[in-house]
Amino acid sequence: AQSVAQPEDQVNVAEGNPLTVKCTYSVSGNPYLFWYVQYPNRGLQFLLKYITGDNLVKGSYGFEAEFNKSQTSFHLKKPSALVSDSALYFCAVRTLDNYGQNFVFGPGTRLSVLP
Amino acid sequence: ETGVTQTPRHLVMGMTNKKSLKCEQHLGHNAMYWYKQSAKKPLELMFVYNFKEQTENNSVPSRFSPECPNSSHLFLHLHTLQPEDSALYLCASSQGQYQETQYFGPGTRLLVL
Repeated sequence: AQSVAQPEDQVNVAEGNPLTVKCTYSVSGNPYLFWYVQYPNRGLQFLLKYITGDNLVKGSYGFEAEFNKSQTSFHLKKPSALVSDSALYFCAVRTLDNYGQNFVFGPGTRLSVLP
Repeated sequence: ETGVTQTPRHLVMGMTNKKSLKCEQHLGHNAMYWYKQSAKKPLELMFVYNFKEQTENNSVPSRFSPECPNSSHLFLHLHTLQPEDSALYLCASSQGQYQETQYFGPGTRLLVL
């Protein structure tokens, strides 16, 4: 079965420091990978996606993610964190297998950027 | 966020009430989704509609009844809910089913007393 893991419930980082939010996946077939962000009392907002091609994907608000097939990971990164980046981040994977299409979200990681 | 709207934003209902959640997308998409977001649990996909046809029902109890009259509108009819159904219900849409980025509405926060 397809699954997405975000091993950290919470990530704390100081403003101006680089941040990483981890995501690993388990799928059968080629994955389409996504990152979404959710601010308080808001719906999810798309950040970036990997479909094919360059393993380093650049997205909104200065975020990027690196697809690593051997490690089955798709970690979200940003070189310099802002306090306004504090939010809940979800990794998601879409796959197509013998049972049809499947879209699975990870449990989410809460990012706190401290001033 | 104005691409996908949801009403109401907040809803409190008793277990014997009947209510409906509404979602509207202004993006010209063909696929729409209902998700349930509970505290400390992963986002749960409930229903998927593609070109107004329901293509997926992830073992959702019958007290939740979806309706998709056209590609722009999606409803979730609620009847005799349980307190554990209290959650944030998110609607999303995409150009094609699963194949494109999903765009989410702000959600309806539901409290069942």
